[in-house]
Amino acid sequence: GEDVEQSLFLSVREGDSSVINCTYTDSSSTYLYWYKQEPGAGLQLLTYIFSNMDMKQDQRLTVLLNKKDKHLSLRIADTQTGDSAIYFCAEKGRFQKLVFGTGTRLLVSP
Amino acid sequence: DGGITQSPKYLFRKEGQNVTLSCEQNLNHDAMYWYRQDPGQGLRLIYYSQIVNDFQKGDIAEGYSVSREKKESFPLTVTSAQKNPTAFYLCASRYRELTREDGYTFGSGTRLTVV
Repeated sequence: GEDVEQSLFLSVREGDSSVINCTYTDSSSTYLYWYKQEPGAGLQLLTYIFSNMDMKQDQRLTVLLNKKDKHLSLRIADTQTGDSAIYFCAEKGRFQKLVFGTGTRLLVSP
Repeated sequence: DGGITQSPKYLFRKEGQNVTLSCEQNLNHDAMYWYRQDPGQGLRLIYYSQIVNDFQKGDIAEGYSVSREKKESFPLTVTSAQKNPTAFYLCASRYRELTREDGYTFGSGTRLTVV
């Protein structure tokens, strides 16, 4: 079955690194995604990783994929208060539908 | 600029009323989706459509209906049969090709409240 799990909350100080974790269950997933949702808004695609990659870096964002353990993580370097949001991981499941995690609320304090 | 537009941003419904949420995209995307978001529960799929004049139920379709008469438009009707409709509703779209890695493009959402 398709199930994506995330921890609900993460709190960090400004300037620290944030690491948001995600586990998924569908080993056939080809792409995995990270989305950001600011209050009262829709979801914005942050980055994605193809399943044959271990790591992808994009400016302050680093995505790590451990396919053996079905574990995905998003690291945000030098976290800023503007990074406070809900972060969703998602996998591309059957019929090209995205399956979303429950979201991790990141709170960045000054 | 291309995008996906949801309207209205806020909607209030009285008990027993049907209301329709609008979703329009000019991205030439083939597939469109409706999600419901409740606090702490992530996104739950209500309905989706991969081509015009065709749509499928998602995980929580009861009490909702949709139509897909045009490629650009995928309105969602929340009927009186939906007993707990207060939530944030998100519309999304994507290309149909299997090789694209773009994921979904989301609208900015409609917050529906029962009064």
